[in-house]
Amino acid sequence: DTAVSQTPKYLVTQMGNDKSIKCEQNLGHDTMYWYKQDSKKFLKIMFSYNNKELIINETVPNRFSPKSPDKAHLNLHINSLELGDSAVYFCASSQARQGEQYFGPGTRLTVT
Amino acid sequence: QQQVKQSPQSLIVQKGGISIINCAYENTAFDYFPWYQQFPGKGPALLIAIRPDVSEKKEGRFTISFNKSAKQFSLHIMDSQPGDSATYFCAARDSSYKLIFGSGTRLLVRP
Repeated sequence: DTAVSQTPKYLVTQMGNDKSIKCEQNLGHDTMYWYKQDSKKFLKIMFSYNNKELIINETVPNRFSPKSPDKAHLNLHINSLELGDSAVYFCASSQARQGEQYFGPGTRLTVT
Repeated sequence: QQQVKQSPQSLIVQKGGISIINCAYENTAFDYFPWYQQFPGKGPALLIAIRPDVSEKKEGRFTISFNKSAKQFSLHIMDSQPGDSATYFCAARDSSYKLIFGSGTRLLVRP
């Protein structure tokens, strides 16, 4: 009965590879987010979708592409991974754009 | 203008003491100020939040004090417990509903 779930929890890969992180929420929310938390714990929004429509797109390299197949899912695909992409990626969801945000457990991505 | 400055970076408090974490902002359009608690290996979880028309909000041992004129807000944890040891983030929401997070405070409560 997890509210916001992410897979995988850990992802270790080599530079240049392409990888995806999946997120699902069972809260019935209509807005979902991707955040990046760097090694210094700094948390920054990357993308947000509302009813499958992209509403926030921060200055993120276009190697990062979010995809929302439906309101309950928001996946993050990353092409040509770089060392600097190593971080913990959090998915979150809220009911409407102004609602309280619920975070997933995070995916720790390590690029070697 | 989109920054939220948080201090201290780390804090050590004895059990039963008061933990105080401060945040400051510049953007007067921010309209919602939540605090999140994050345990190691977990995602941030909303602890308590306040809107700028209120000067104080209390939930159990957690209190937010908000000073609109000074553009500052703080989290007070009364009777701090070892289980409160975590990283705390303040945040502010802008007019596009984007949350801007502070840099985090690592709190350690000693038994």
